[in-house]
Amino acid sequence: SAVISQKPSRDICQRGTSLTIQCQVDSQVTMMFWYRQQPGQSLTLIATANQGSEATYESGFVIDKFPISRPNLTFSTLTVSNMSPEDSSIYLCSVRREGEKLFFGSGTQLSVL
Amino acid sequence: DAKTTQPPSMDCAEGRAANLPCNHSTISGNEYVYWYRQIHSQGPQYIIHGLKNNETNEMASLIITEDRKSSTLILPHATLRDTAVYYCIVRRSNYQLIWGAGTKLIIKP
Repeated sequence: SAVISQKPSRDICQRGTSLTIQCQVDSQVTMMFWYRQQPGQSLTLIATANQGSEATYESGFVIDKFPISRPNLTFSTLTVSNMSPEDSSIYLCSVRREGEKLFFGSGTQLSVL
Repeated sequence: DAKTTQPPSMDCAEGRAANLPCNHSTISGNEYVYWYRQIHSQGPQYIIHGLKNNETNEMASLIITEDRKSSTLILPHATLRDTAVYYCIVRRSNYQLIWGAGTKLIIKP
């Protein structure tokens, strides 16, 4: 398995502010992903975090709103910018290891007022 | 788009095998089937995955039908700690995950 530390575990933020979520993995991984789980819905892929290059975003997600950093093979951050109540979700990082296994962090529960 | 269908809830006696079904009739040939579980507000816990062949690990077995339109997760000897919501997921080639609504599995003593 993989040990994935995600911080913060939860936060309550004001509209218009930004929050940066950190994801730390216990060993180097090639592929890291960021997902969002809105209330009552399944997980949606936001982007693939690429080490040393710009993240690859899925349809409906843009870099200005969700900038991602991946400075090395064990760490990534996701920033939720200029937040609105619609951004209230659980945000999860995920890594691919041991072939095609996907492991998830414990998630960041974000509430925007 | 592939999607998954699971029963909303199931009961199983402690010590017995828990068999959780999932339908994914629109799955494509290169899409994997994954199973995860969530307990309370924790992140999804990986259980097992497969493409075409049946798979077994220390936690569970995964049986995939020959046409790949359905699968069954088997917990061979369920314990009270296996009480959780179990999700059957189809993983697309770009790592987009298609989640079902989950099955709430209750293990009874």
